[in-house]
Amino acid sequence: GQNIDQPTEMTATEGAIVQINCTYQTSGFNGLFWYQQHAGEAPTFLSYNVLDGLEEKGRFSSFLSRSKGYSYLLLKELQMKDSASYLCAALDSNYQLIWGAGTKLIIKP
Amino acid sequence: GAVVSQHPSWVICKSGTSVKIECRSLDFQATTMFWYRQFPKQSLMLMATSNEGSKATYEQGVEKDKFLINHASLTLSTLTVTSAHPEDSSFYICSANPGTGDNSPLHFGNGTRLTVT
Repeated sequence: GQNIDQPTEMTATEGAIVQINCTYQTSGFNGLFWYQQHAGEAPTFLSYNVLDGLEEKGRFSSFLSRSKGYSYLLLKELQMKDSASYLCAALDSNYQLIWGAGTKLIIKP
Repeated sequence: GAVVSQHPSWVICKSGTSVKIECRSLDFQATTMFWYRQFPKQSLMLMATSNEGSKATYEQGVEKDKFLINHASLTLSTLTVTSAHPEDSSFYICSANPGTGDNSPLHFGNGTRLTVT
């Protein structure tokens, strides 16, 4: 079956760095997305990786290893507003999105 | 950037009544829109794929007669929850892909929080 695994919850300190991991098992693969979702709001797009390697976008970076079925989202210089859930989603061979359950990130001052 | 508008943001209705949720793409045409449901502390669950001018494709376990989807134009899809019950209370979110490829990121509406009393 198809599956996405990511930690349920993580805690980090303001100003620090945090890495949120995601492993996936899908029927085929056409890329991996990271979305941010604040409580009570809809998700917003953060990044898309389809090739191996690191993509940097400001304070946020996303990494993909297709051979390992693994991705991570790296958040630097954490701010209180980064407290949110981070959803990992993989596109399978039919371009269907398979969603992870999300990682709730708690930022402490 | 691409904007998806969803209305209403929240609605409270009595058990047995029907509720209609609208999803509009404001600055692009969307031949396909997606409807998701999200229960507290859970991930998004795809309910159905709405196709302009044709029938929606429902995911397994989603009752098509209960969750009516109409995609009458390239910028509007509606989800009607018929004969709503308390267990239908949830966060409903629509999304559309404004890009030209299947790997373009989705843009989401702001969601509709439905409470059935």
